[in-house]
Amino acid sequence: QVQLVQSGAEVRKPGASVKLSCRASGYTFTSYTIHWVRQAPGQRLEWMGWINIGNGNTKYSQKFQGRVTITRDTSASTAYMELSSLRSDDTSVYYCARDLFGVGYSSSFDYWGQGTLVTVS
Amino acid sequence: QSVLTQPPSASGTPGQRVTISCSGSSSNSGSNTVNWYQQLPGAAPKLLIYSNNQRPSGVPDRFSGSKSGTSASLAISRLQSEDEADYYCASWDGSLNGPVFGGGTKLTVL
Repeated sequence: QVQLVQSGAEVRKPGASVKLSCRASGYTFTSYTIHWVRQAPGQRLEWMGWINIGNGNTKYSQKFQGRVTITRDTSASTAYMELSSLRSDDTSVYYCARDLFGVGYSSSFDYWGQGTLVTVS
Repeated sequence: QSVLTQPPSASGTPGQRVTISCSGSSSNSGSNTVNWYQQLPGAAPKLLIYSNNQRPSGVPDRFSGSKSGTSASLAISRLQSEDEADYYCASWDGSLNGPVFGGGTKLTVL
C-alpha cells in the first residue's frame, strides 16, 4: 500500500533552517510528483512547492521563493524540504503529498504523509 | 491573493443532507477543476473528491461534488457522526501558478 512517512517534530530558533524528509513506499517513486503543503495552527492549507521525482524539476510558491528548497534521493525513495530563515510564523504542520496525476500542475493530492510539526521559538 | 472562500461552519443531524460551498474566481475554480479534502481532528487531509465530481476508490457515494462557473459544492447525504471534520476545497490558480485552498468548513453533526 502507498505510504508517505515523514520525519519527526522539530524545534528551531528564529533565523535557523530545518530540513524535513518524506519517505515513500508502495509505488514507483519516480512516477509521481511530490508536493509540500503546510498548515499553521487554525489556518488554511498552504502549498509550498513540488518536485518532479523523475527529473528533479521543482516549482515553488512565490511566497517561499528563496527560502525553500525541495530535493529528492531516488535511491532512498525520499523527498526533502528545507526551509531557511525561519520565523515564528513558520510554526506549522508540514505535509508531503503525492500528486494524483503525477504531473505537478494540479491540486489533487491522493496520499499524504502524517505531517511534521515545526515549532519556531 | 487569490483564494477560495468557504463558510466557516456547517451542521446537520444524522441522516440529513448537507452542502458546503466554495467560491473562487476566474483564475482558479472558474478555469480549473476543484478538489475536496476531509481532515479529521489531528489527522492529515484525505482526498474526497477530485476533478469536480470524481470519487477516489474507497470514498462512499454519500459524498458528491459539483461545479458551476466559479463556484463548487460538496454534498454529504445520509450524514453520519464520523463525518464530523474540517472540509477544504482546492483548485489550481493560474495567476499564482500554484494550488490554492479554501479556508475550510467545520462540519458539526448534531
